Amino acid sequence: GAGVSQSPSNKVTEKGKDVELRCDPISGHTALYWYRQRLGQGLEFLIYFQGNSAPDKSGLPSDRFSAERTGESVSTLTIQRTQQEDSAVYLCASTAQGNEQFFGPGTRLTVL
Amino acid sequence: LAKTTQPISMDSYEGQEVNITCSHNNIATNDYITWYQQFPSQGPRFIIQGYKTKVTNEVASLFIPADRKSSTLSLPRVSLSDTAVYYCLVGVLHSGGYQKVTFGTGTKLQVIP
Repeated sequence: GAGVSQSPSNKVTEKGKDVELRCDPISGHTALYWYRQRLGQGLEFLIYFQGNSAPDKSGLPSDRFSAERTGESVSTLTIQRTQQEDSAVYLCASTAQGNEQFFGPGTRLTVL
Repeated sequence: LAKTTQPISMDSYEGQEVNITCSHNNIATNDYITWYQQFPSQGPRFIIQGYKTKVTNEVASLFIPADRKSSTLSLPRVSLSDTAVYYCLVGVLHSGGYQKVTFGTGTKLQVIP
């Protein structure tokens, strides 16, 4: 596709359920990033992939959060046993050279 | 990671030049300075990036003094469509093409007719 796509665009779940968020990066982009953005706040770095390897997982807020990537393609961010504080927009970005990050539209997660 | 500080909000009239300054006192030698623009319900969009002195592209200029402890994004002749949140961030450009960055809370620019 022409840009980074994310699905679903909106997700409403009940507290305690698991959710999977998907990111399809721009074809050929080797690096992929996940961020979290709470309402009215800046972006919080979660994890970075170079290919299917994740050299930096330092931003994952707890062991309920995990992510994987298939080759240099799709990535999924999984949140287990969701809590209300997990409610946020989850943004994915990809980059080819590390200079300009191309962001997707985000997934708005609401935990009731 | 270097922490950035920006004004929370700014107002400007259409057609004026807008300068948004960002402080990053503990910027590291290998850090680059990047600015992004974010419209409501959209992901951020890259505007400009620099290391030192001045960088200019078709949409903005970036001024970085010699000590690199601050930077100023300059938007010439803003229009209503420039109303957005502008993020200043610093991060390291690794040899593998990875830039780990810290996004602050950004500056909300409101352009007034």
